[in-house]
Amino acid sequence: AQSVTQPDIHITVSEGASLELRCNYSYGATPYLFWYVQSPGQGLQLLLKYFSGDTLVQGIKGFEAEFKRSQSSFNLRKPSVHWSDAAEYFCAVGGEGSQGNLIFGKGTKLSVKP
Amino acid sequence: GAVVSQHPSRVICKSGTSVKIECRSLDFQATTMFWYRQFPKKSLMLMATSNEGSKATYEQGVEKDKFLINHASLTLSTLTVTSAHPEDSSFYICSAETSGTDTQYFGPGTRLTVL
Repeated sequence: AQSVTQPDIHITVSEGASLELRCNYSYGATPYLFWYVQSPGQGLQLLLKYFSGDTLVQGIKGFEAEFKRSQSSFNLRKPSVHWSDAAEYFCAVGGEGSQGNLIFGKGTKLSVKP
Repeated sequence: GAVVSQHPSRVICKSGTSVKIECRSLDFQATTMFWYRQFPKKSLMLMATSNEGSKATYEQGVEKDKFLINHASLTLSTLTVTSAHPEDSSFYICSAETSGTDTQYFGPGTRLTVL
């Protein structure tokens, strides 16, 4: 079955600390992987995506993610968190020509302590 | 680039009325648009996929006669919630994709409250 698991429902980190949000997927074909961020009451903003090539991808706002095929993971990282990063983060998986068959994880809510 | 807008951002309506939500791709042509529903503290649930000029494909369990989707042009799709009821209250989000990119860009969402 195709699925995305984000094991952490809620994470709190201190401002300036490093961050890692976990994402594991199960997908029958070559996966296309995405991280989106959603601020309260807002839509989703694409942070980064991985289709192929270098397994470490850089995104906007200083985020990066690493694709590890052997672990079926696509964890999101940021070396130093800012208060404005507090939001909900969604990992999603799709495939080439999937025509919208994006499968989302349940999201991880990030809180940032001053 | 890749900006998607939705209108209205929030709407309150009486039970039994119909509500239309617009989704526009502002700076690109969207061959495919998607409509999602998001419940509080939940992930996104895909409702339907629409390609310009053709009928929408609905996900299992989504009533196509209740949630009417029209994708009349490469920059506009509309979702009409017909005969809305309080259980239709939700956050509706659209996204748009250009053929061959396999990347969806999301609108800001519409908060629907049915009284």
